[in-house]
Amino acid sequence: KNEVEQSPQNLTAQEGEFITINCSYSVGISALHWLQQHPGGGIVSLFMLSSGKKKHGRLIATINIQEKHSSLHITASHPRDSAVYICAVKSLSNYQLIWGAGTKLIIKP
Amino acid sequence: DSGVTQTPKHLITATGQRVTLRCSPRSGDLSVYWYQQSLDQGLQFLIQYYNGEERAKGNILERFSAQQFPDLHSELNLSSLELGDSALYFCASSVEGAGTDTQYFGPGTRLTVL
Repeated sequence: KNEVEQSPQNLTAQEGEFITINCSYSVGISALHWLQQHPGGGIVSLFMLSSGKKKHGRLIATINIQEKHSSLHITASHPRDSAVYICAVKSLSNYQLIWGAGTKLIIKP
Repeated sequence: DSGVTQTPKHLITATGQRVTLRCSPRSGDLSVYWYQQSLDQGLQFLIQYYNGEERAKGNILERFSAQQFPDLHSELNLSSLELGDSALYFCASSVEGAGTDTQYFGPGTRLTVL
């Protein structure tokens, strides 16, 4: 079993829909990162969370440490949000990031 | 623009060859990370340096090596290249490299081994 699981693997939605991507992990963590990888390959760091909730524009990230679960929400989705969204956790036992497999999101106009 | 630069953007070479990928971290960041992303796969952590010293090692092959120089730029050396080494290689940097640091990613170097 992977230490970081993301769901869904693939998600296709219509423009304007509310999007939720989930990340569950099984190890103790010091932080959780959400990243976005554009079709061209570039990676952008969206959020770094250790508790609670963060909001940036139309993006909201939440984390529940007790349940070992995080969600990334996109409100009023737009075709330019189409990308792979990756969850990564920083293990308490070492400095390495443990990566989820990513969620491929396609927003249709 | 994350402030992390990587060169070259693209590299095409033959099996058996050796290449060097270069990364310049954001100004003020002491830690550099290297990742490999093969086609349709997630990111694989290779190695981390902090202020010139190796801090953590991931799934890095013995044919690969890295170093961080006094000016904090880093190089990833890949030798005896195989077809399976074709991938995107990302460098990231962070201020300290521990705990709750945010990592900032470079644009990546796309390596194609023919």
